[in-house]
Amino acid sequence: GENVEQHPSTLSVQEGDSAVIKCTYSDSASNYFPWYKQELGKGPQLIIDIRSNVGEKKDQRIAVTLNKTAKHFSLHITETQPEDSAVYFCAAPTTNSGYALNFGKGTSLLVTP
Amino acid sequence: GAGVSQTPSNKVTEKGKYVELRCDPISGHTALYWYRQSLGQGPEFLIYFQGTGAADDSGLPNDRFFAVRPEGSVSTLKIQRTERGDSAVYLCASSPGTAGNSPLHFGNGTRLTVT
Repeated sequence: GENVEQHPSTLSVQEGDSAVIKCTYSDSASNYFPWYKQELGKGPQLIIDIRSNVGEKKDQRIAVTLNKTAKHFSLHITETQPEDSAVYFCAAPTTNSGYALNFGKGTSLLVTP
Repeated sequence: GAGVSQTPSNKVTEKGKYVELRCDPISGHTALYWYRQSLGQGPEFLIYFQGTGAADDSGLPNDRFFAVRPEGSVSTLKIQRTERGDSAVYLCASSPGTAGNSPLHFGNGTRLTVT
């Protein structure tokens, strides 16, 4: 969506390395920031989300950080594994869609053994 | 438990025809969303329902697209006079809460091909 920008569009890492994907948003009223993982032929699946009252959230090898002042949030995957290979999307709610989530264009992550 | 179910999984139609895409949300989820995803792109918002009413339909591209959710559960996305540019994966999602503060649970989508 035009209100959510995501970088990079592709990312290749070696197994065991870390991967970081960044998103920026424009609507300062946004207060909920999820990350989704999409595998080929399937719908996006939520992997982690964060609300605006916290700056960081972790779930095992996955973490999300939020900087509300700068209006950006990032996904961090540590100790990457080949099964982490997929397309990842960030999203944020925006007023121009009644606060439905607007998605970034996606990052295609490839983890090579 | 059962997730979001979308039928059909694939639909091929000729230009100018009418199509209906069905979504069965997770039981008890009050919010239901339709998105469209083109190859290599993120999901693009179309419309969302809170209960039976369309809370926001600002993403529908034109008046050929229409969606209903008459009993607050199953939803149907209807496309009239289909065009080749309508070819995409149509994703449905449901959520237990209101827009903007609760996670969406997606189905696997309907792949629509207009020939």
